Amino acid sequence: QVQLQESGPGLVKPSQTLSLTCTVSGGSISSGSYYWSWIRQPAGKGLEWIGRIYTSGSTNYNPSLKSRVTISADTSKNQFSLKLSSVTAADTAVYYCARALGYTGYEKWGQGTLVTVSS
Amino acid sequence: QSVLTQPPSASGTPGQRVTISCSGSSSNIGSNTVNWYQQLPGTAPKLLIYSNNQRPSGVPDRFSGSKSGTSASLAISGLQSEDEADYYCAARDDSYWVFGGGTKLTVL
Repeated sequence: QVQLQESGPGLVKPSQTLSLTCTVSGGSISSGSYYWSWIRQPAGKGLEWIGRIYTSGSTNYNPSLKSRVTISADTSKNQFSLKLSSVTAADTAVYYCARALGYTGYEKWGQGTLVTVSS
Repeated sequence: QSVLTQPPSASGTPGQRVTISCSGSSSNIGSNTVNWYQQLPGTAPKLLIYSNNQRPSGVPDRFSGSKSGTSASLAISGLQSEDEADYYCAARDDSYWVFGGGTKLTVL
């Protein structure tokens, strides 16, 4: 049974870079036709797709965040990561990592981690 | 403001049938399939419907989805108290995904 777990600092200062890691257990991130993604949700608001990395290593990003986002994978650790630069209070949210099989939707999710941007 | 438009709230009594709409455009719903997610309070979203009308294993057949043109709908029949949650639609738009703003379903 594949499980995803987010980790990283819960507090980031404005203008700094937010860095999160998703550790995958029960399956390899480098096998199968899966998209490994980051999705966030500000408190009391809806979901926002940040971006994804395919098993081949190719990436896609939300155009509204593209200039600040990098998603990468470390297959030796079976992890993928998110870096979001120049953060502001508007980036405060619960960040989820998730897995999708092709375009059939995100069927596996991490529990989410709250990141607060504040000085 | 979300790319896909959902009503902010919906409600029904136990046993009733409720529907939640999701409106998009030709670049997202009009060109791609729609997925629906259920989010219970304090938990991660759960995939409820994929490819417009397919249910993942374990999702009751009380939940059904449909799509027509640039709109989609989620229907819940035989409403139960445990269905009280937030519901989100999602679709691809070019190479990225867009979500609806979510609909809070209240079971009266």
